Amino acid sequence: EVQLVQSGAELRKPGESLKISCKGSGYSFTSFWLAWVRQMPGKGLEWMGIIYPGDSETRYSPSFQGQVTFSADKSISTAYLQWSGLKASDTAMYYCARQDVATDSLYIWGQGTMVTVSS
Amino acid sequence: DIQMTQSPSSLSASVGDRVTITCRASQSMSRYLNWYQQKPGKAPKLLIFGASSLQSGVPSRFSGSGSGTDFTLTISSLQVEDFATYYCLQSYSIPWTFGQGTKVEIK
Repeated sequence: EVQLVQSGAELRKPGESLKISCKGSGYSFTSFWLAWVRQMPGKGLEWMGIIYPGDSETRYSPSFQGQVTFSADKSISTAYLQWSGLKASDTAMYYCARQDVATDSLYIWGQGTMVTVSS
Repeated sequence: DIQMTQSPSSLSASVGDRVTITCRASQSMSRYLNWYQQKPGKAPKLLIFGASSLQSGVPSRFSGSGSGTDFTLTISSLQVEDFATYYCLQSYSIPWTFGQGTKVEIK
């Protein structure tokens, strides 16, 4: 079964760093772009950018460039989303999703990781 | 960036109603348009890709149409399980962008 499994919910203080993960299984992890999508509480979906785990090439939405970092460890089929200095406004649910070239869509989604930033 | 304007932002409908949701793009994007359904606490689910292709396993009461800048998602006969929030997503150019969402509520 093709699936993406994300790490668990996180509670951090403003200014702290954080790295959340997304582990793929059931497919060739290095052959598909992986997207990150933010959903702030009660709000809509925002496409943050993508990473190609095969060579760690990244493309960021201008709205998120410089605010977050995507990385991947293909040896363990895991992608990461990290912050170096969290803000309260980073409080959101974060989803990873596999991009399908054939359909130009995000078909396989992780279950989401809730990040809460509060003092 | 391509801006996606989705309407309405919410609607109330009854079981059996025909429901139409639209997305308008700020520039032409051929048919690179996907539709998603999201229920509370769940990840989005792909319904339609390529503007009009039904994802495997999605009921045939869902359909999509359009090309260029104007796109439509239609639910031909609304069922209880269809009450959710719907989003369009353009996959024509990076950054991909979502519409603001349409919440379909029970009348």
